[in-house]
Amino acid sequence: GDSVTQMEGPVTLSEEAFLTINCTYTATGYPSLFWYVQYPGEGLQLLLKATKADDKGSNKGFEATYRKETTSFHLEKGSVQVSDSAVYFCALRGSQGNLIFGKGTKLSVKP
Amino acid sequence: GAGVSQTPSNKVTEKGKYVELRCDPISGHTALYWYRQSLGQGPEFLIYFQGTGAADDSGLPNDRFFAVRPEGSVSTLKIQRTERGDSAVYLCASSPQDAGETQYFGPGTRLLVL
Repeated sequence: GDSVTQMEGPVTLSEEAFLTINCTYTATGYPSLFWYVQYPGEGLQLLLKATKADDKGSNKGFEATYRKETTSFHLEKGSVQVSDSAVYFCALRGSQGNLIFGKGTKLSVKP
Repeated sequence: GAGVSQTPSNKVTEKGKYVELRCDPISGHTALYWYRQSLGQGPEFLIYFQGTGAADDSGLPNDRFFAVRPEGSVSTLKIQRTERGDSAVYLCASSPQDAGETQYFGPGTRLLVL
């Protein structure tokens, strides 16, 4: 069945460092791909999405490109801030519209 | 506008008891999803409603779990004879339609079964 694998955390970075969180997927066809973020004490929020191959989703300085050749959707940010500390979830949309999530990657950014 | 709301925010119950968890979706959203998130894991799909009907309940773990959405708006997830393994955060999400639309998540209900 469809699945998502993302790099395990926690990831600890200093402010202004470059961030990459790897995400790969297994699916039939080309599903829409998402990154959701969960800030401490808050609910899941959509960070960005891409609906077809080679699309790039971007928001708040974060980017991810839908790569069908490598079945990947890695999340990147050029310069992280303390306020980016959160848990990040990669997800794909299943055939019935439900989301299939990875296990999440906790990011801590130190000043 | 108002987002997805879930009540209660926390629920503590004893093994074997019955619980109901409520979800109020964003007004006008026809699609509603329930997920369960165990500690250290990503959310896992339980059931999906399109309007009043359950379009996909393949994620419900067993027949102790049941959900309804009688008027196509508020949904209730019902768990009978709770077990300690049911302890998790139960998340609800809604979207304007089904496929192709962003899902908006509520804050979740944290269920603890003692």
